[in-house]
Amino acid sequence: QSVLTQPPSASGTPGQRVTISCSGSSSIIVSNTVNWYQQLPGTAPKLLIYSNNQRPSGVPDRFSGSKSGTSASLAISGLQSEDEADYYCAAWDDRLNGWVFGGGTKLTVL
Amino acid sequence: EVQLVESGGGLVKPGGSLRLSCAASGFSFSSYSMNWVRQAPGKGLEWVSSISSSSSYIYYADSVKGRFTISRDNAKNSLYLQMNSLRAEDTAVYYCARENSAAPRPKNWFDPWGQGTLVTVSS
Repeated sequence: QSVLTQPPSASGTPGQRVTISCSGSSSIIVSNTVNWYQQLPGTAPKLLIYSNNQRPSGVPDRFSGSKSGTSASLAISGLQSEDEADYYCAAWDDRLNGWVFGGGTKLTVL
Repeated sequence: EVQLVESGGGLVKPGGSLRLSCAASGFSFSSYSMNWVRQAPGKGLEWVSSISSSSSYIYYADSVKGRFTISRDNAKNSLYLQMNSLRAEDTAVYYCARENSAAPRPKNWFDPWGQGTLVTVSS
């Protein structure tokens, strides 16, 4: 069981807006920043959002991140078929002195 | 182009050893902290270990502490993971990933990631 909790699956139709949550303890999300990674089928993970809500260059502004209290969220607006992937949140755990990942959310575009 | 290329994976028997390598190019390797992250077949991501740019700070996940050793050779632009006493549950694709500063810090992130190398522990 992951220290960061994500829903195992999410879905939406093209053009819709979907959100993926990531919840954890205060020693993780409250104390530190949250990053999001996208893993397309059969490929390595790729940085999608860093420092809670920052997008690396090249990531479309359809992707946005937020954090409030012990939870973080990834929002994808204008859903596209190519967004079908696994999404992982991650943060540093002060108690474990190491990085922790959420269990991942498989996004399906219907 | 910033690139990370892992190698050294393969099939090993339980209790055996394996050494993974990650060759870095396209950036100043000696200026960045590096990490190993693994993914068991059909499962999620699990952080394994971090090492700071000068090897001064090293961290391990509890699941590998005492069995795995992370190291780096800045002169060779290479990251390593020595894996001993391997178990079936260590079977995974192992990725190396660059952290965005010289030392592991809570406000950092991983970018980029290598393509991964598969380690299979089975008799």
